[in-house]
Amino acid sequence: ILNVEQSPQSLHVQEGDSTNFTCSFPSSNFYALHWYRWETAKSPEALFVMTLNGDEKKKGRISATLNTKEGYSYLYIKGSQPEDSATYLCAFPPYNAGNNRKLIWGLGTSLAVNP
Amino acid sequence: NAGVTQTPKFQVLKTGQSMTLQCAQDMNHEYMSWYRQDPGMGLRLIHYSVGAGITDQGEVPNGYNVSRSTTEDFPLRLLSAAPSQTSVYFCASSFEGVSGNTIYFGEGSWLTVV
Repeated sequence: ILNVEQSPQSLHVQEGDSTNFTCSFPSSNFYALHWYRWETAKSPEALFVMTLNGDEKKKGRISATLNTKEGYSYLYIKGSQPEDSATYLCAFPPYNAGNNRKLIWGLGTSLAVNP
Repeated sequence: NAGVTQTPKFQVLKTGQSMTLQCAQDMNHEYMSWYRQDPGMGLRLIHYSVGAGITDQGEVPNGYNVSRSTTEDFPLRLLSAAPSQTSVYFCASSFEGVSGNTIYFGEGSWLTVV
């Protein structure tokens, strides 16, 4: 059974702290890994779609790295702000699908940034 | 640019009633899908479509119907609502093809079945 695991499940940090969390996925037949940010009462919003081993992407204070050989991706937030409070989801396509049709989603890491 | 638009945002249904959740996108995306989100579970795919006239089942299709008569619209029908269908529903779309395409989500529909 294919599975995406995210850790930790939740995280509480102080404003200004840097933090990171992990998405683990099966490393065979990798196609892409998606990261989304999901604020309460809003819709998930795409952060990054990563396709290449060793890829590193950045969006403001948020960055992500990808290791397809060992099956993990890290999401980093530098200098966390209260507005970063959200659930961060990752997703990837099953081993036999190089498309978005049936993405497998993690349960997310819930980040709370205290002012 | 409206993106993905879902309606209604909130709905309460009685057991056995039927209803349709509407979803429209204006990005000319071939791929559209419906997910449900329940506490303690990841997003679960209900149905998806890769183009007008083409639909397929996802992980949890029972109790739901879809159709795709146009590229823009992908309604989700609850045939006979059950309390187990109480959930938050998200419509999503993307360009079809490679799995590196970004997925765009609607704002969600909160459905309660009593």
